[in-house]
Amino acid sequence: QQQVKQSPQSLIVQKGGISIINCAYENTAFDYFPWYQQFPGKGPALLIAIRPDVSEKKEGRFTISFNKSAKQFSLHIMDSQPGDSATYFCAVTGGSSNTGKLIFGQGTTLQVKP
Amino acid sequence: GAGVSQSPSNKVTEKGKDVELRCDPISGHTALYWYRQSLGQGLEFLIYFQGNSAPDKSGLPSDRFSAERTGGSVSTLTIQRTQQEDSAVYLCASRRTGGAPYEQYFGPGTRLTVT
Repeated sequence: QQQVKQSPQSLIVQKGGISIINCAYENTAFDYFPWYQQFPGKGPALLIAIRPDVSEKKEGRFTISFNKSAKQFSLHIMDSQPGDSATYFCAVTGGSSNTGKLIFGQGTTLQVKP
Repeated sequence: GAGVSQSPSNKVTEKGKDVELRCDPISGHTALYWYRQSLGQGLEFLIYFQGNSAPDKSGLPSDRFSAERTGGSVSTLTIQRTQQEDSAVYLCASRRTGGAPYEQYFGPGTRLTVT
């Protein structure tokens, strides 16, 4: 049973374009909705995170949009750059005894063409 | 400062052998996590340590998997009688006390190949 569904699996965007990655979750008990970026041979690195009491959070070129009623959240990368080419994972965490256990989406491989 | 380190970076072992994977968290980080990353299963949680205790072991796939943490620092993940389906990248992450639950710093992982 997949608790977090991520799409698309892969994405190709031209330099300067907008990259959009979507995630849907099932359990309404989650408290936090982070995104991680992973380069080949490296571990994931936290990119940006949002709580369900806000609908949008922006950090530089990265924006999370959150739709609580639809149980969906998305990552927007504005002015995409070749250096953004990586695998992106959405995740959820939370609940009554939040240990920080992360439940990840399946990942999206982003390629930004120069 | 130094990040999370893991050793070895690569491990090739024969089916049926035992392996030990090591994680050195960021100094002072009290929370430590192990995750596994494989093509078939994606990124999945294995175990969580707070100090030397493991209050959440819910992700360990079988009793062949065990982990310990000593001195509130180094952690070792042990896989006994390895199987081919254990082949994956094993990732360790640490988090400071008071940090948000998702503020986990990941190591580069240990790539385990079971032949």
